Formats: sequence, structure tokens, C-alpha cells
Amino acid sequence: KQEVTQIPAALSVPEGENLVLNCSFTDSAIYNLQWFRQDPGKGLTSLLLIQSSQREQTSGRLNASLDKSSGRSTLYIAASQPGDSATYLCAVGLSFGNEKLTFGTGTRLTIIP
Amino acid sequence: DAGITQSPRHKVTETGTPVTLRCHQTENHRYMYWYRQDPGHGLRLIHYSYGVKDTDKGEVSDGYSVSRSKTEDFLLTLESATSSQTSVYFCAISGTGHNSPLHFGNGTRLTVT
Repeated sequence: KQEVTQIPAALSVPEGENLVLNCSFTDSAIYNLQWFRQDPGKGLTSLLLIQSSQREQTSGRLNASLDKSSGRSTLYIAASQPGDSATYLCAVGLSFGNEKLTFGTGTRLTIIP
Repeated sequence: DAGITQSPRHKVTETGTPVTLRCHQTENHRYMYWYRQDPGHGLRLIHYSYGVKDTDKGEVSDGYSVSRSKTEDFLLTLESATSSQTSVYFCAISGTGHNSPLHFGNGTRLTVT
């Protein structure tokens, strides 16, 4: 059974710093990996989706990388801003279809002004 | 935001009563999902639908049923609510293409007393 771990559970960094969030998974035979952010009291917002054949995806100040062989993905946030404060979750898909997604429990990020 | 509306946003009910949560989408997406989110757990899939009247069970389906009579509506019913079903429930949708990301509603906070 796929297990997805996100460590640390919480992270605080000063505004302007670059930072990396981690996502580890136990089964390397994945189909894709998705990163989401969740603001308090809200649903999840899709940030990036990396297909198994890709090594990374970029959107604005966000860059997600995927290393299947080591069972890791990282989300890099450049020049962090207070608006980046949220919980970031990763989800790993083992096959086509989102019904096969396994979610991590997230990293709660606080950007200190 | 993707056009997903969940109702109600908050509900308090008593043990043993039936409860129905509604998800309405305006995106005409084929796939719809119900998740629950609990502290210490990643999001867990309850049921999903791959078309009108086509549904299937997820990881934590016991005590829940669903129905989808129209493309835009997906209902989640707790036949006889229990305290263990106190949770935040999220509806999500996705398209039919390969590697279609999930889009979430803002959730329903359900408390069973």
C-alpha cells in the first residue's frame, strides 16, 4: 500500500527566503504526483501536476521536482511572500484516474513578514 | 475557482439521524469524488462517480452512500450518522483527460453529537 509522508508537519520562514517542501512515497511505480495548497477553512487548490515521465514542472515562483527512484518530490517556492502561508499537500497517483490518489498529511507553512 | 458548490457548509446533527451533503458543479466534468479530511490523516476517498448513475466505493465507504442522477450533482448520504463521521467533507471534480488535476469545493464541516 502506498504511503505518503510530508516532513516537517510545520515550517516557519522569514519573508523573501527560498524554501523547499518535501514529499516522500514508498511505491516508486507512480503514474503522477500532484501538489496542492489549502488555506484555512477552504478546499484544496491544485498547484502543479507532474507526470511520471517528467522530472519537474514550473508555475510562476513554484517548481516541483520528481525523483521516482528515490521516492521523493520537492516543491520549491522562490522569494516567499506572506500570501504563501498555507498548508501544502502532495498526492501520489498509482494509475490513471484520481480515485487512486494517496494524500500526504501536509506541511503547514508560515511566512513571517 | 472551479465551479464547485458544496451545501451546507456547516451542519450539526445527532447520532442516528440521516444526513445528505450536496455537491454541485458547473464545469460539466465527468468525474466527481467525495473525500473526508481528519487530523492526522491525509484526505481519504469515500466514493466517486465516473458518470451519471455510475459510482464506486473508495477507501472508507462504510456507512456512506452516494447518488448521481445528473452530471452536475453528486450527493453523499450518511444513512445513520455516528460520531466517527464527524469530519470535514470535500467534493472534488476532474476531467477525462490523462493527468487531469483534481479541483475541490470548499468543504462541509459536519459535527455528529
